[in-house]
Amino acid sequence: GQNIDQPTEMTATEGAIVQINCTYQTSGFNGLFWYQQHAGEAPTFLSYNVLDGLEEKGRFSSFLSRSKGYSYLLLKELQMKDSASYLCASSDSNYQLIWGAGTKLIIKP
Amino acid sequence: IAGITQAPTSQILAAGRRMTLRCTQDMRHNAMYWYRQDLGLGLRLIHYSNTAGTTGKGEVPDGYSVSRANTDDFPLTLASAVPSQTSVYFCASSDSSGPGELFFGEGSRLTVL
Repeated sequence: GQNIDQPTEMTATEGAIVQINCTYQTSGFNGLFWYQQHAGEAPTFLSYNVLDGLEEKGRFSSFLSRSKGYSYLLLKELQMKDSASYLCASSDSNYQLIWGAGTKLIIKP
Repeated sequence: IAGITQAPTSQILAAGRRMTLRCTQDMRHNAMYWYRQDLGLGLRLIHYSNTAGTTGKGEVPDGYSVSRANTDDFPLTLASAVPSQTSVYFCASSDSSGPGELFFGEGSRLTVL
């Protein structure tokens, strides 16, 4: 079956670094997405990885290992506004997105 | 530019009633999607449309129908609402049916009593 696993909740301190992991198992693979969703709001796109390796975009980086079915989102220099849920999604052979339940990130001062 | 507009933003509905959630986009995107989001679960695809005039079933299509008469509009209809359809519904679009960034509407919170 198709499955996406990510931690339910994580806590980190303002100014620190946090890594949110995601493992996926889908029928075929056409890339791995990360979205950010603030409480009560719509998800917004953060990153897309289709090849192995690290993609850096400002304070946020995303890593993919296709052989391990694994990705992580790295957030540096955490700010209070980074408190949100982070959604991992894998694109399967039909280009449909399979979504994880999301990781709620709590930032403490 | 509004992007994607959903209406209503919130609705309480009696079981058995018919309800249409509206979704309009002004980005001229070909692909549109309806998802539901429930606590503890990932977004689940209800129906999708790769281009105007075509629709397809997603992971949880039962009890829902859609139409795509033109590029901009993609309404979702609940023919006879049931309490298990209580959820937050998101409409989304992308400029291709392949892997690409999804743009989401602000969501419609539906409560079926």
